[in-house]
Amino acid sequence: KAGVTQTPRYLIKTRGQQVTLSCSPISGHRSVSWYQQTPGQGLQFLFEYFSETQRNKGNFPGRFSGRQFSNSRSEMNVSTLELGDSALYLCASSFSVRDTEAFFGQGTRLTVV
Amino acid sequence: DAKTTQPPSMDCAEGRAANLPCNHSTISGNEYVYWYRQIHSQGPQYIIHGLKNNETNEMASLIITEDRKSSTLILPHATLRDTAVYYCIVRVSERSRGRRALTFGSGTRLQVQP
Repeated sequence: KAGVTQTPRYLIKTRGQQVTLSCSPISGHRSVSWYQQTPGQGLQFLFEYFSETQRNKGNFPGRFSGRQFSNSRSEMNVSTLELGDSALYLCASSFSVRDTEAFFGQGTRLTVV
Repeated sequence: DAKTTQPPSMDCAEGRAANLPCNHSTISGNEYVYWYRQIHSQGPQYIIHGLKNNETNEMASLIITEDRKSSTLILPHATLRDTAVYYCIVRVSERSRGRRALTFGSGTRLQVQP
């Protein structure tokens, strides 16, 4: 079974630009969550999608948004990039109908210059 | 979700058991204890979880005290590849109250020494 796939793995953007990151969950998983990891703040929850609906949201500004498609694939978008948005963005998928673990992808390393 | 407290770092000799403690004194009756680890530059990896009974799988054992206020993750024969940050997380079961995000603390940085 293929794992969680995140693309691209690395990205460099300029301040003020916007970026879209993609996550393909494990086949059959319907829940996708996004996390931001920085050296200073650690791993922080961004949002979660299930059946194309946002079910949970962390404490991030509106510049951070996401969506989920009918095939459970998810994208997150960050607009008007700031230097502080430089981070590892991680996606996790889970089956979501029973108490189980989340499977994380390798992440997308975003650098804002 | 209950807060957890873990030592910031630990060392372990290769081949020996690594015992990683976690305090979760405010845990509620419907909260599970989860352990994840993150090897450098990779996404977190699920290890094990439990409610009140001790659990064992191919990766590790989880020992939860009777009052559930603390737990210990045991890696029975640590290898160099077990060097990682280990996170202890407490959260409600999805069955009991909808979905909750994983709240990662600072974790314990385990260094396995050759």
